[in-house]
Amino acid sequence: GESVGLHLPTLSVQEGDNSIINCAYSNSASDYFIWYKQESGKGPQFIIDIRSNMDKRQGQRVTVLLNKTVKHLSLQIAATQPGDSAVYFCAENRGDYKLSFGAGTTVTVRA
Amino acid sequence: GAGVSQSPSNKVTEKGKDVELRCDPISGHTALYWYRQSLGQGLEFLIYFQGNSAPDKSGLPSDRFSAERTGGSVSTLTIQRTQQEDSAVYLCASSLRQGGSGELFFGEGSRLTVL
Repeated sequence: GESVGLHLPTLSVQEGDNSIINCAYSNSASDYFIWYKQESGKGPQFIIDIRSNMDKRQGQRVTVLLNKTVKHLSLQIAATQPGDSAVYFCAENRGDYKLSFGAGTTVTVRA
Repeated sequence: GAGVSQSPSNKVTEKGKDVELRCDPISGHTALYWYRQSLGQGLEFLIYFQGNSAPDKSGLPSDRFSAERTGGSVSTLTIQRTQQEDSAVYLCASSLRQGGSGELFFGEGSRLTVL
């Protein structure tokens, strides 16, 4: 079965609110995680990454949290904007060169 | 160009025909990946090229699928005798770093529809 997955396939959020997108993984050997954003008709675009020796990493308006105890990854988007509407994928690297992707969460921002 | 370029962006073909999809990676990127994305699904790994090493073809779903990379740059994914279940978006990505611990830069994909 799929080892990288997202808790919810869709998320609707009010513009200006914070968004939290969750992802669960099952392979404890995974040492590198990435969040990608895919807008309609485009390829996935890198947002932020985190290594397994870290618990938290912040970027511009985004924060990734990694809880290795429960094998959980989350992406927080601050002050969500209409341009944040997209499908968000978490991906894990299991120590080789392949990234394994989850099915994605579709985020819709309400005006 | 500055990014990964894929062509064609859209391809409609009849069942049983062969198709070729092309990927032009970012200059200097030694790693090249092909993924497949079916409607509403995540990305399925197909094949990986790294420099002059033998490619990892472990994700190719059947022997109807093949890929090559010429001169360490442009790659072509070929699907022979296409089937309706081959309909998907085929995404190419390249990376500067060997191994998975590095950002993958994706093209916009080639949408394949098999009638």
